[in-house]
Amino acid sequence: GAVVSQHPSRVICKSGTSVKIECRSLDFQATTMFWYRQFPKKSLMLMATSNEGSKATYEQGVEKDKFLINHASLTLSTLTVTSAHPEDSSFYICSAPDRDRGNYGYTFGSGTRLTVV
Amino acid sequence: AQSVSQHNHHVILSEAASLELGCNYSYGGTVNLFWYVQYPGQHLQLLLKYFSGDPLVKGIKGFEAEFIKSKFSFNLRKPSVQWSDTAEYFCAVNALTGTASKLTFGTGTRLQVTL
Repeated sequence: GAVVSQHPSRVICKSGTSVKIECRSLDFQATTMFWYRQFPKKSLMLMATSNEGSKATYEQGVEKDKFLINHASLTLSTLTVTSAHPEDSSFYICSAPDRDRGNYGYTFGSGTRLTVV
Repeated sequence: AQSVSQHNHHVILSEAASLELGCNYSYGGTVNLFWYVQYPGQHLQLLLKYFSGDPLVKGIKGFEAEFIKSKFSFNLRKPSVQWSDTAEYFCAVNALTGTASKLTFGTGTRLQVTL
């Protein structure tokens, strides 16, 4: 089946630095990628939707300049957390829709645990 | 806008007990419905999904869910849980708009199965 490869799985960075998270679709083309953030004991909150070749669409309350999203090709979308702060520590997950027998299924990356110290 | 509510936040069951996790959504149009599971330390995995047809959907590991349109519900069930079912369960919905649209997740239900 469709696979989304997400890297890194864990990253620890110093406050003020930037971190890039990559999501690659394997064996299928992902023209759209959804980026979620999962808080402890809470649900997945959609941060933004990236579309290949166009600007990402951010959900209300998500800082565009802080969470830079690039969808450079049909198989790669990246999320860069700029000038990271401890409050950005979280679990970030990407997801790509994939046609499944004429309907849309969703394939999730394995997630990235970001810790900002 | 669509929304999803899961009524049970934390459920504790003994092995072999029956399970039912509630999920209600709000959206007036046609939707796709999903249940995902997240085992400790692992990523989200699809348990089952409903797109159309038979409202009783069977998924992996003995789980099933029933779509009741009149109640806007998609409850997850399993007749006899196992210790290995201990995990976080998320209900999700997306509105059918003709193009790929975002999934909206419920807050999740943590299931703890005791021996």
